[in-house]
Amino acid sequence: GQQLNQSPQSMFIQEGEDVSMNCTSSSIFNTWLWYKQDPGEGPVLLIALYKAGELTSNGRLTAQFGITRKDSFLNISASIPSDVGIYFCAGPKSGGADGLTFGKGTHLIIQP
Amino acid sequence: DAGITQSPRHKVTETGTPVTLRCHQTENHRYMYWYRQDPGHGLRLIHYSYGVKDTDKGEVSDGYSVSRSKTEDFLLTLESATSSQTSVYFCAISESIDRGENEKLFFGSGTQLSVL
Repeated sequence: GQQLNQSPQSMFIQEGEDVSMNCTSSSIFNTWLWYKQDPGEGPVLLIALYKAGELTSNGRLTAQFGITRKDSFLNISASIPSDVGIYFCAGPKSGGADGLTFGKGTHLIIQP
Repeated sequence: DAGITQSPRHKVTETGTPVTLRCHQTENHRYMYWYRQDPGHGLRLIHYSYGVKDTDKGEVSDGYSVSRSKTEDFLLTLESATSSQTSVYFCAISESIDRGENEKLFFGSGTQLSVL
């Protein structure tokens, strides 16, 4: 089945640093979604991408839909403490009603 | 925030007992999903529903059943809970599966289930 590989698994950074993470697949995706999960809560949608090459921003977050349609990137600029959490990439499964395939997540930890 | 309520938020039960988790939505969305989240595995689909009384299996459906008698409610039942079903369970909803803006899932806050 479709699998999404996220890297890195964990990131330990200082407040104010920029963050980059990515998601790759052996299959082509027509949509890429990025979610963030805070401790004790469900994932929240951050950014949705629909076209190869598309670059979309949401505040300090910027995500890109890779040209090959097999990868996507998420960047966070000038990290702040509330950016801590787990970031997931996701894409539609078969195109039917069976929801999204998720990567295993990148755990972002900000050191004071 | 999407109007999704999961209950209970936390539950501890014993092996072999039946457990039912409830997901209630106020968005009138057609599609509803149950995922489980485990360390090292991410989010995995258990079952989903594409309408009232219309459900189908996901990738980890063994040991689980679901029911959807009303648009707003989607129930997940563990007929005889096992320790391997200790997990965090998330309900999600989607308005549409059409290509474009409506492929997004919106999640509830989760249910932490411990089976002892």
